[in-house]
Amino acid sequence: GEDVEQSLFLSVREGDSSVINCTYTDSSSTYLYWYKQEPGAGLQLLTYIFSNMDMKQDQRLTVLLNKKDKHLSLRIADTQTGDSAIYFCAETSGSARQLTFGSGTQLTVLP
Amino acid sequence: KAGVTQTPRYLIKTRGQQVTLSCSPISGHRSVSWYQQTPGQGLQFLFEYFSETQRNKGNFPGRFSGRQFSNSRSEMNVSTLELGDSALYLCASSLYNEQFFGPGTRLTVL
Repeated sequence: GEDVEQSLFLSVREGDSSVINCTYTDSSSTYLYWYKQEPGAGLQLLTYIFSNMDMKQDQRLTVLLNKKDKHLSLRIADTQTGDSAIYFCAETSGSARQLTFGSGTQLTVLP
Repeated sequence: KAGVTQTPRYLIKTRGQQVTLSCSPISGHRSVSWYQQTPGQGLQFLFEYFSETQRNKGNFPGRFSGRQFSNSRSEMNVSTLELGDSALYLCASSLYNEQFFGPGTRLTVL
């Protein structure tokens, strides 16, 4: 089946920028999403991008999409300790709403 | 606007029992999807309901079933529970392209 891959861990210093990367295999992906999960909680939708876009910015968050390489990234500017969480990349394909998730990246923000 | 609510939040069952989980979507949202989250398999899609009809189904055995009511609330049922069914079950509601998740139901099977 289709696959979404992410690196497992990322550590950054407070105030630095974080970049979380994701690759996917489905060439018919329509929307790509970033979710945040804190311990014991559900998934919080951070942002999403339509597959014909290259970039989307939303306050401290910047999403970059390279459709040719099937590569998605999430940049968090001025990372804070409250940003420590697991970040999931996900995609939908065609008209289906079924989300296919990556394994998640554990972001640790060091003081 | 109230978010997605799921009940109960925690549940402990024994093998062989059955369980029913409930999800109330955001007001006005007609699509409800269910996902299972485990440390080993990650987040996996179970099924999606739209206007009381199952529109899509993931690769889970028939012990996993669901339904949706006319008010868009949804339930999922797992029969003959196995130890491997221990997981966080997440419900998501959507109107268009955004999918919003509830806090989940943590099911432990002993």
